[in-house]
Amino acid sequence: GENVEQHPSTLSVQEGDSAVIKCTYSDSASNYFPWYKQELGKRPQLIIDIRSNVGEKKDQRIAVTLNKTAKHFSLHITETQPEDSAVYFCAARGGNNRLAFGKGNQVVVIP
Amino acid sequence: NAGVTQTPKFRVLKTGQSMTLLCAQDMNHEYMYWYRQDPGMGLRLIHYSVGEGTTAKGEVPDGYNVSRLKKQNFLLGLESAAPSQTSVYFCASSYFGNSNQPQHFGDGTRLSIL
Repeated sequence: GENVEQHPSTLSVQEGDSAVIKCTYSDSASNYFPWYKQELGKRPQLIIDIRSNVGEKKDQRIAVTLNKTAKHFSLHITETQPEDSAVYFCAARGGNNRLAFGKGNQVVVIP
Repeated sequence: NAGVTQTPKFRVLKTGQSMTLLCAQDMNHEYMYWYRQDPGMGLRLIHYSVGEGTTAKGEVPDGYNVSRLKKQNFLLGLESAAPSQTSVYFCASSYFGNSNQPQHFGDGTRLSIL
């Protein structure tokens, strides 16, 4: 099955700076890559997703890039704000049609 | 629009007890999933269902059973709870599993096994 890895595990950034989280996946048949944000004690919520036929997608301060050749995709958050502090999970839907999640990244935005 | 609703929100069990977690969705989704979330482990798929009357094993199915008697409900059962099953359990649903539709999550059930 699909294996997804996230790096780094914890990321601290100054408010206003950018944050980048990178994920790698193993299954070359994977074709859907969502990102979820989870605040403490709450449910994971989808913030952005990308299909394999697209290299980049942007939604206001959030963007995701996909490199199919290298099998990695990244979440970019610009102009970070304190409310961006959360755990972010990447996922990939592999050839078995199931989502495989990474272990999550803790993002801390320092005011 | 309630989305995905999980009950109960919290529960404490003793080792060997049984219980059922209920997930209900009002979005007419075909696919439903049960995950467990442990610190540093991300979300791991326990069981899932591709439609009413169907169930399938996920990544960590041992010790759990599921049923999907109605399209809107997906039940997760623990027949004999063990401390290793202490976790936060999330239910999710999506229209289909193979059309790149996002999964929508419930608020979770925090389960402690003593």
